[in-house]
Amino acid sequence: KQEVTQIPAALSVPEGENLVLNCSFTDSAIYNLQWFRQDPGKGLTSLLLIQSSQREQTSGRLNASLDKSSGRSTLYIAASQPGDSATYLCAVSGYGNKLVFGAGTILRVKS
Amino acid sequence: AAGVIQSPRHLIKEKRETATLKCYPIPRHDTVYWYQQGPGQDPQFLISFYEKMQSDKGSIPDRFSAQQFSDYHSELNMSSLELGDSALYFCASSDRQASSYNEQFFGPGTRLTVL
Repeated sequence: KQEVTQIPAALSVPEGENLVLNCSFTDSAIYNLQWFRQDPGKGLTSLLLIQSSQREQTSGRLNASLDKSSGRSTLYIAASQPGDSATYLCAVSGYGNKLVFGAGTILRVKS
Repeated sequence: AAGVIQSPRHLIKEKRETATLKCYPIPRHDTVYWYQQGPGQDPQFLISFYEKMQSDKGSIPDRFSAQQFSDYHSELNMSSLELGDSALYFCASSDRQASSYNEQFFGPGTRLTVL
């Protein structure tokens, strides 16, 4: 059974800092990995999707990497802003295409 | 661009009542997924449909049923509601035939409160 773990559970940083969120998964037989952002009580916004054959994806200040063999992914956020404050969820898709989510990292960027 | 539509956005029910949640996928998407997110928890997969047939089943209670219709919209029917069913229910859609990596796009969710 696939299990996804995210570290740290919460993170508080001053504005402007670069930061890294970590995600690990137990079964390397995945189709893709998605990073989502969720604001309190709101829906899921897809940030980046990395196919299993890819090593990284970039979108603006976000960069996500994938090391499938070791079961790890990182989300790098450059020059953080208060508007980046949210919960960041990592999810992997495997057989059946359902997404298995981690518990998320709660990010707070202080101005 | 059109997104996934869910209705209603908010729903309040009493215990033992029934509820029906609706999902309208992105046009031309052939696959629909349902997820449940309890308070302070991560989303959990319930069930999915591909081309109107159930394709996978997760931790969905027997009191719940779902189907995908000929126009690809989906409905999640929940009976004998319990307090523990209070959660955000997300629908996601993807175009499985278009790509192998199957990116899922999520709707805004339906917040169900059972009193």
